[in-house]
Formats: sequence, C-alpha cells, structure tokens
Amino acid sequence: EDKVVQSPLSLVVHEGDTVTLNCSYEVTNFRSLLWYKQEKKAPTFLFMLTSSGIEKKSGRLSSILDKKELFSILNITATQTGDSAVYLCAVEARREGQNFVFGPGTRLSVLP
Amino acid sequence: DTGVSQNPRHKITKRGQNVTFRCDPISEHNRLYWYRQTLGQGPEFLTYFQNEAQLEKSRLLSDRFSAERPKGSFSTLEIQRTEQGDSAMYLCASSFVPREPQETQYFGPGTRLLVL
Repeated sequence: EDKVVQSPLSLVVHEGDTVTLNCSYEVTNFRSLLWYKQEKKAPTFLFMLTSSGIEKKSGRLSSILDKKELFSILNITATQTGDSAVYLCAVEARREGQNFVFGPGTRLSVLP
Repeated sequence: DTGVSQNPRHKITKRGQNVTFRCDPISEHNRLYWYRQTLGQGPEFLTYFQNEAQLEKSRLLSDRFSAERPKGSFSTLEIQRTEQGDSAMYLCASSFVPREPQETQYFGPGTRLLVL
C-alpha cells in the first residue's frame, strides 16, 4: 500500500531558527513529490520535485529529493511567525486514479 | 479571481439531512479532484474526474456520497443522510493534464461541514 510519512508531526521553534521537515514515501511508480503549505484554509503549492539531488529554492524555503533513499526534506531558514502552518508532503504516482497520496503533515509553530 | 472556488464555505446541518457542495475549477483544467480532510490529517482522496468522466472513487466514498461533473466544468458533491462522522473539510482541487509532464493540483478554499 502506498504511504507517505512525515516527521516530526509537530515542531515549535523561535523566530530566526532554521527548521528541516522530513518526508519519506513508499509509492509504486513514483512520478513527483510535492510540498504544500496549509494555513487555516486549503493547501497552497510550494514545490514540485522530480529529480534527485536538484535543490529547489523560493526565498527562505528550499527542498530536495532523494529518489534512492525515498525521501525529501523541506528547509526553512530564518523562520518568521508567518511560516506557522501545516506543511504537507504529497507523492504523485504514475498511474490513473488515486494519483496523489498525502502525508499527515508537520505542524510548525514559530514563536516570536 | 481565477483560482479554484468552492461553495458554500461553511455548512452546518443536522444528522440525516442531505447536503450539496459545488466546486468551480480553474477554467482550462480538465481534471478535478475531491478530498476530505479531518483535523490533524492530510487530505484523503475521494474521487476524481477527467473532463466529465468520473474515473475513480475511493472506498471511503460510501453509497451516501455522489459526485458529478456534468459538463466537464464545475462539479458537485452530494452527501445524503449525513452522519456526524461526515464532519470534515471537503477540498476540491484541479489540474491540467497533459500540459505538464507532472501534475500539480491547485486547491480551492474548501467547504467545512459540521453535522450536528
């Protein structure tokens, strides 16, 4: 059965700290891995990763994929209170139907 | 606003009543997904459409749930004889395939359902 595991499930840090969120997966016919940020509403898209070892960056956020070890990390540097959210990892499988499997998310709280 | 929209945003109903939610995807998107999300969990897949065809339904989708996308544009999700366990956020997402080699879903704001 396909599954996506995220760790930690929750994390509390102070502004300015750097955090690393983890996502590991077991999916048949992997196609891509996506990170979403979810605040008090629907998830918003952050990154899509398809190739190992290529870092994607957007401001203070960056992410990388390891297809050999089947995991991805999401880094946030110099955290701000506005980074407080649930960060979801989803894996896309190359098949019809239930293409996307989501992890439970990591709830990040950034304290001032 | 050219994003995915959902209506209503909130719905409170009594157990046993029927409810219907609507999703309007991004206009050129041909795929539309419905998910359910409960507190502390990631979204769970319910069903998806390719244009107007409903191609897969999760086993989570009991016979009280039905979804339609009659003209390949907006979609409706109906829950009949609601139960308290149906209380959740119902998310709609859309994507365009095969424009991108890999698919990215864009989510609507969700409809939060509370069954009393």
